[in-house]
Amino acid sequence: GEDVEQSLFLSVREGDSSVINCTYTDSSSTYLYWYKQEPGAGLQLLTYIFSNMDMKQDQRLTVLLNKKDKHLSLRIADTQTGDSAIYFCAESLLSSNTGKLIFGQGTTLQVKP
Amino acid sequence: DTEVTQTPKHLVMGMTNKKSLKCEQHMGHRAMYWYKQKAKKPPELMFVYSYEKLSINESVPSRFSPECPNSSLLNLHLHALQPEDSALYLCASSPPVSGEAFFGQGTRLTVV
Repeated sequence: GEDVEQSLFLSVREGDSSVINCTYTDSSSTYLYWYKQEPGAGLQLLTYIFSNMDMKQDQRLTVLLNKKDKHLSLRIADTQTGDSAIYFCAESLLSSNTGKLIFGQGTTLQVKP
Repeated sequence: DTEVTQTPKHLVMGMTNKKSLKCEQHMGHRAMYWYKQKAKKPPELMFVYSYEKLSINESVPSRFSPECPNSSLLNLHLHALQPEDSALYLCASSPPVSGEAFFGQGTRLTVV
């Protein structure tokens, strides 16, 4: 079945690194995504990784993918108070030709000054 | 232009009203989506349009009626809603192949 799971809450100090984890069950995933949602706003696409890649880095963001364990992580270096938000992991499925996304429950990141 | 624009940003409607939500994108994406999001929950897919044709309806009640007039526009017509339909309604669009969805800022709907 299709399922994406995330821990619900993470608290870090400003300047530290944050690591948000996600597991998924469907091995036919093609792309995996990280979205950020600030209060009252829509979802902002942060980054995505194709399922045949292991790692992708984009400035302060590093995405690691372990296909064997179906585990995805998002590392935010030098976390700032502006990074406080809900982070959603999502997968799109090879079996779906319409780009249907399966979302995790979201991880609330709290950054303390 | 990487924007998906939704109007209105906020909407309060009575249970007997008819209203419409609008969504526009000019990225040339041929897939467009409506999602519903309750507070502190992930978005739930409602409808998918692919090349202006409805390809997925996730068993959404008929009081929600989508429309895709052209490749840039997506509407959601609302009629006889219930208070439990109050939520953030998000529109998104995506290109083929990579399928990364770009979301609008949403319409905050309150049904009274």
